Amino acid sequence: DAGVIQSPRHEVTEMGQEVTLRCKPISGHNSLFWYRQTMMRGLELLIYFNNNVPIDDSGMPEDRFSAKMPNASFSTLKIQPSEPRDSAVYFCASSPLRGDTGELFFGEGSRLTVL
Amino acid sequence: KQEVTQIPAALSVPEGENLVLNCSFTDSAIYNLQWFRQDPGKGLTSLLLIQSSQREQTSGRLNASLDKSSGRSTLYIAASQPGDSATYLCALRSSGGSNYKLTFGKGTLLTVNP
Repeated sequence: DAGVIQSPRHEVTEMGQEVTLRCKPISGHNSLFWYRQTMMRGLELLIYFNNNVPIDDSGMPEDRFSAKMPNASFSTLKIQPSEPRDSAVYFCASSPLRGDTGELFFGEGSRLTVL
Repeated sequence: KQEVTQIPAALSVPEGENLVLNCSFTDSAIYNLQWFRQDPGKGLTSLLLIQSSQREQTSGRLNASLDKSSGRSTLYIAASQPGDSATYLCALRSSGGSNYKLTFGKGTLLTVNP
C-alpha cells in the first residue's frame, strides 16, 4: 500500500494568497483527519471526516480555513486568504473502520510557509 | 480535559543501551494509546497501538506498556541503535463522546550516539 499521500510537500506563498493542500487516504480507510503541527502548540486536530462527512470541525481556526472530502479517496484543506501565522506542517491521517478504534496512519505532511 | 506529558523532552544515550521513554496522562478513561516515531521533516510512523484492555504490546526491539491506574505508558527500546534517533510521541484516545480525537504529548527527542 502506498500509504497516505499528501501534496504539495512544500509550499511557500505570500500573505493573502490562497493555499490548497491535498490528501489521498489509504484505500479502504473511512476516517480522515487533518492535523497541524507547530513548535509552540504541537499537533492539533483541525477536522475529522467519517465516510466523507465532516464530523468535527471545531479545530478549524477561522473561517479562512475550509476542508472538503468529495469522495473516499480525496480530501483538500484550503486556506484563503493565507497569513504568516498559518505557517506550519499540515498532516493528513487516515484510519480504518471507525475513527475511535482504528490505528492512525499519517502522511508525510505539507510544510507551508506564508511570507 | 485529558493532558499528556512526555518526560524528558530530550534524551541522549550511547549505542547499545536499553532505554525507556515515559508518557503520563491525567484521565485514565482511555480507549487506546499509540506510540509514534517522527523523523525530522517527516510524518509520524505508528510503532505500537495498545488497546485499553491490554497491558503491553511488542514489536521487535520495542515494547510498550500501559498502566491505566497510574496514568502511565512506557516505550522500552532494547539495544538502541543510531537509526533509532528520532522524536517519539505518544497519543491516546479518551473514552466517551469524542473518542476519535487523539491527544498528543509533545514528544521525546531521542539521540543514539554511535
